[in-house]
Amino acid sequence: SQQGEEDPQALSIQEGENATMNCSYKTSINNLQWYRQNSGRGLVHLILIRSNEREKHSGRLRVTLDTSKKSSSLLITASRAADTASYFCATDADTGGFKTIFGAGTRLFVKA
Amino acid sequence: DGGITQSPKYLFRKEGQNVTLSCEQNLNHDAMYWYRQDPGQGLRLIYYSQIVNDFQKGDIAEGYSVSREKKESFPLTVTSAQKNPTAFYLCASTIAGGPYNEQFFGPGTRLTVL
Repeated sequence: SQQGEEDPQALSIQEGENATMNCSYKTSINNLQWYRQNSGRGLVHLILIRSNEREKHSGRLRVTLDTSKKSSSLLITASRAADTASYFCATDADTGGFKTIFGAGTRLFVKA
Repeated sequence: DGGITQSPKYLFRKEGQNVTLSCEQNLNHDAMYWYRQDPGQGLRLIYYSQIVNDFQKGDIAEGYSVSREKKESFPLTVTSAQKNPTAFYLCASTIAGGPYNEQFFGPGTRLTVL
């Protein structure tokens, strides 16, 4: 079964609104990463948060990690139409980092 | 420009044929990966390689084979034993296997079985 599961599966918002996506996982981890995928393209790394970190920022992105609840959230502030994409969380699932396990993703649609 | 390339972008295969998907990187990365993505799904690991001349099976290796003769190259062969090969295939690389390294992805190859 997949390690990471994103919620919601799909999200539609207006430009300028904030978008929040959640990820839950099952086993202990060393890190959790968020990736973005535009339709029909490869994935692009957004941000990595280590298991001993609780919050991290990168531009309009804010990621939180709660290891006690085995969950993470990705917040995109002031969304733009160009943010329309699928967003995936990925964990190393305490495998020593040699394998990265991806969730099924959240499909975000930002309406202009 | 450093990066990871995949070819071809689109590939059509007749049933019973083997096909090979190319993946090349000039990032000097040690580790390389192959993933399969089905519509509306996440990525599933097929094979990965941490070093030249060494590779390990991922979660869905049956019907696939790989080689790692050069650091820059990690081709994937989809054999006739793979019963449902139509999917989007993504190759990725990291500096080295380890828990704190981001993966760099190629643009993908879309394989369709006719």
